Amino acid sequence: AQSVTQLDSHVSVSEGTPVLLRCNYSSSYSPSLFWYVQHPNKGLQLLLKYTSAATLVKGINGFEAEFKKSETSFHLTKPSAHMSDAAEYFCAAYSGTYKYIFGTGTRLKVLA
Amino acid sequence: EPEVTQTPSHQVTQMGQEVILRCVPISNHLYFYWYRQILGQKVEFLVSFYNNEISEKSEIFDDQFSVERPDGSNFTLKIRSTKLEDSAMYFCASRLSVGVGTDTQYFGPGTRLTVL
Repeated sequence: AQSVTQLDSHVSVSEGTPVLLRCNYSSSYSPSLFWYVQHPNKGLQLLLKYTSAATLVKGINGFEAEFKKSETSFHLTKPSAHMSDAAEYFCAAYSGTYKYIFGTGTRLKVLA
Repeated sequence: EPEVTQTPSHQVTQMGQEVILRCVPISNHLYFYWYRQILGQKVEFLVSFYNNEISEKSEIFDDQFSVERPDGSNFTLKIRSTKLEDSAMYFCASRLSVGVGTDTQYFGPGTRLTVL
């Protein structure tokens, strides 16, 4: 069965330092993978997605993610954190029936 | 930019009451979804809807739940007799199609349902 695992429930970084949010997936086929961000009391906003084209995917707000099939990973990175990046981040994969399977989320805290 | 809208933003109800959560998907989208997120937990799939019928539903989506597209623009989720454990944020999403480049789901801002 397909599953998505976000390895860290909380990540804290200082403003201006790099961000790494980890996501691993399990799938019997090449998946479509997504990162969404949820700010407090807001809906889910798409950051970026991988759909079997380039393995390095660039998204909005300076985020990017790299699909590594050998490691079954799709980690989200940003070179320099901003205070406005503080939010909950969800990794998701499409199942074969086009419903999302979500990870448990990672809460990113950015320290001044 | 078109967006998915949901009403109300917050609904408080008594246990056993019926609630209807409303969503207006993006106008040319063909596939519609409901997800829920219990506080502090992950987002879970409830149901998908296409061509006026349910495509798939999860084990959460029992007989107390129903969905409808009553007028070609709204997409509703009804909970017939709410339970305390139905308290959650409910997200509606819509998708244009299944092809590459059109398979992204766009989410609404959610309705927070509180069952007392």
